Amino acid sequence: LAKTTQPISMDSYEGQEVNITCSHNNIATNDYITWYQQFPSQGPRFIIQGYKTKVTNEVASLFIPADRKSSTLSLPRVSLSDTAVYYCLARNNAGNMLTFGGGTRLMVKP
Amino acid sequence: DTGVSQNPRHKITKRGQNVTFRCDPISEHNRLYWYRQTLGQGPEFLTYFQNEAQLEKSRLLSDRFSAERPKGSFSTLEIQRTEQGDSAMYLCASSLLQVGYGYTFGSGTRLTVV
Repeated sequence: LAKTTQPISMDSYEGQEVNITCSHNNIATNDYITWYQQFPSQGPRFIIQGYKTKVTNEVASLFIPADRKSSTLSLPRVSLSDTAVYYCLARNNAGNMLTFGGGTRLMVKP
Repeated sequence: DTGVSQNPRHKITKRGQNVTFRCDPISEHNRLYWYRQTLGQGPEFLTYFQNEAQLEKSRLLSDRFSAERPKGSFSTLEIQRTEQGDSAMYLCASSLLQVGYGYTFGSGTRLTVV
């Protein structure tokens, strides 16, 4: 599975748009990009998944350029409750186990 | 359905004791996964089941660890002769087999070995 690299931490303020970029230079043809969110003392929660171009749901948007070597998770108008760790993962379409990295710790300040 | 349920939420045990954790997945999910997470790190894969068959085990899963999923429903993870290094959050997740379906994680069991 492709290794993903993302910033260790980010700070933001309430109401701002937050963009978290993930690099995955060795992504395979069969890999999807998946993002999870984790609050303290809880398991990770699936946010969004995409293969290329743009995917949007009620929580976030995911932008994947044509070369698929990176992706950007966009959180519109963050609130304090968006403070969490965000993980970017590459998963193949066989649906086998997920490989987590260290994630990005997002701190939203008032 | 209330999602993936894990019990207990917390467990404190003395070094050398055996512990067992239980995971009840979402009922229609074929796959069940166990992960371990230590403070400040991302979850690490331990093992997974498709129905009742254990299909893959990580090298992290030493001989002291055993997992079962009888009848393809709930699963148990047992750690024998616990060590302080086993202290971690143990997470269970389940999913359908189909492509593009996210995994649903439980809230985990936090193990502290003293």
